[in-house]
Amino acid sequence: ETGVTQTPRHLVMGMTNKKSLKCEQHLGHNAMYWYKQSAKKPLELMFVYNFKEQTENNSVPSRFSPECPNSSHLFLHLHTLQPEDSALYLCASSQEGPLGSPNEQFFGPGTRLTVL
Amino acid sequence: ELKVEQNPLFLSMQEGKNYTIYCNYSTTSDRLYWYRQDPGKSLESLFVLLSNGAVKQEGRLMASLDTKARLSTLHITAAVHDLSATYFCAVVPLTGNQFYFGTGTSLTVIP
Repeated sequence: ETGVTQTPRHLVMGMTNKKSLKCEQHLGHNAMYWYKQSAKKPLELMFVYNFKEQTENNSVPSRFSPECPNSSHLFLHLHTLQPEDSALYLCASSQEGPLGSPNEQFFGPGTRLTVL
Repeated sequence: ELKVEQNPLFLSMQEGKNYTIYCNYSTTSDRLYWYRQDPGKSLESLFVLLSNGAVKQEGRLMASLDTKARLSTLHITAAVHDLSATYFCAVVPLTGNQFYFGTGTSLTVIP
């Protein structure tokens, strides 16, 4: 595997289900990100992890719970979601410089989530 | 609130024609990125612009950055159908490390 991979690629879940999205980066980067992409909206940053520590949480509802066990893996745990959470969820990684400035982000293929 | 605005949002152009997509942003920054997204696919990095006056070219696409005007342009020369996609710009503020994306420009190149 190369680059950034995400599983599953498609997910349909009910509002009472619990599921998890997985992201893995094979680039040796030290920062990973979760984005939400909804129709006709800009990409929304949800979470940022640098060196496995969460550094950004953009007021995301608690029904989304991230986990970063190591610098190569990132999970997004989902529970009691709403239909408006249906979107494309993209994972990205980058190598942050010594002063924290991020370099180019590399994106995974995304998980298309549908909440019924 | 930091804003990144792209225009146009939708662009339909004929093959062989030239056009420019604009990306305006409301913060101080010297880092701007252009991405391409095909329908149902992820974002693919096109250009990384890291200083005022930076210009990069790849094939029929050329990107430039004017940090004083807070403006980046993506110029398309002699468009071909394969360029049909949605193009996003993203800015990283000088005092932060978060990427702020524009709304995207959906480009359709017609024969």
